[in-house]
Amino acid sequence: QSVVTQPPSASGTPGQRVTISCSGSSSNLGSNYVYWYQQLPGTAPKLLIYRNDQRPSGVPARFSGSKSGTSASLAINGLRSEDEADYYCAAWADSLSAWVFGGGTKLTVL
Amino acid sequence: EVQLVESGGGLVQPGGSLRLSCVASGFTFSGYSMNWVRQAPGKGLEWVSYISYSSSYSSSTIYYADSVKGRFTISRDNAKNSLYLQMNSLRAEDTAVYYCARDLAPLMGSDYWGQGTLVTVSS
Repeated sequence: QSVVTQPPSASGTPGQRVTISCSGSSSNLGSNYVYWYQQLPGTAPKLLIYRNDQRPSGVPARFSGSKSGTSASLAINGLRSEDEADYYCAAWADSLSAWVFGGGTKLTVL
Repeated sequence: EVQLVESGGGLVQPGGSLRLSCVASGFTFSGYSMNWVRQAPGKGLEWVSYISYSSSYSSSTIYYADSVKGRFTISRDNAKNSLYLQMNSLRAEDTAVYYCARDLAPLMGSDYWGQGTLVTVSS
């Protein structure tokens, strides 16, 4: 049972906007940055969003992140078939001195 | 090009030990904090351990997940551009793919990941 909660699944059709939520507590999301990772089937995770809303070089602008209090969201605009993957949020947890990951959300492009 | 290549995984009996290695290239290894993150078969990501960059003037800061504290030891050899994870008293629940990952900045998310090495703990 993760201390950071994500919906197990999400879906959308090509071109649609999809959002994935991430909920934590004051000791993790509430007091630290949120990070988002994308894991395509059979591959290593890839950093998608850092410091709540920043995109690393090479990540399309279709991906955006936001945070408010102890919750965060990843939005994907103009959904594409290649976006079908598992998405994880993460934050540093001060009380644990540890990184905590959400359980992951499997995104299906219908 | 940044590359992280893990090795050392394999099949080990419960209670046994294993040492994972991660060789880094394409960047100044000594200047970056590193992590081990694992993923059990069909499950999500679980952070395992963190080690900060180190220099001749200061030692590294190290953190562990509660699930491995006292059993796993993270270390680095900057001269060999290598990160290690010594795993002792292994349990079935330690079975996972273990990834090494470089931090974008200390405790600021991991921007590069290796391909992972599979550790299977079974009798």
